[in-house]
Amino acid sequence: GESVGLHLPTLSVQEGDNSIINCAYSNSASDYFIWYKQESGKGPQFIIDIRSNMDKRQGQRVTVLLNKTVKHLSLQIAATQPGDSAVYFCAEVTGANSKLTFGKGITLSVRP
Amino acid sequence: DVKVTQSSRYLVKRTGEKVFLECVQDMDHENMFWYRQDPGLGLRLIYFSYDVKMKEKGDIPEGYSVSREKKERFSLILESASTNQTSMYLCASSPWRAGTGELFFGEGSRLTVL
Repeated sequence: GESVGLHLPTLSVQEGDNSIINCAYSNSASDYFIWYKQESGKGPQFIIDIRSNMDKRQGQRVTVLLNKTVKHLSLQIAATQPGDSAVYFCAEVTGANSKLTFGKGITLSVRP
Repeated sequence: DVKVTQSSRYLVKRTGEKVFLECVQDMDHENMFWYRQDPGLGLRLIYFSYDVKMKEKGDIPEGYSVSREKKERFSLILESASTNQTSMYLCASSPWRAGTGELFFGEGSRLTVL
């Protein structure tokens, strides 16, 4: 069946380094992708999105890359800070009703 | 500031009890959603609603029902709670924009069924 998955369950990075969080998706009909961040004790929050007609999109300290050939999505965080420690979810949107399918989540841990 | 409010952050219930989880949003969004979140499984969609009195099953609707009597309120109901429904429940809303999927989440309701 169709699925959205993350390559690794945890990622540990040194403060100040760049982080790369990867995500694989399998639904070729998905036309929109979103990254969410969930801090401990809170609900997920939108970080950045990208449409399938784009390869790259940049935000503040974050960049999302989309490789449709291999159905791969990544989130890059520049100069990772302690406040970036959280669980990160990729999600794909399919259909006119915008149904989201979430990946399982990856925990980013920032070492001081 | 947009806000999705879940009435209870923590609940402890006994097997067989009826459980109501309430969610209210103040953004006038058409769409509302209930997810459950479990370690290693991510977020799974239980039910969603695109309009008042309208509901659709998500991926795991068994054991749950919902109610959308008013646009701002979406309730999740466990008719007879079971231990396998111990989980974090997340409510979300989104504006009616076809092709986009940004959701605004509440802070979650952690339910323990004994």
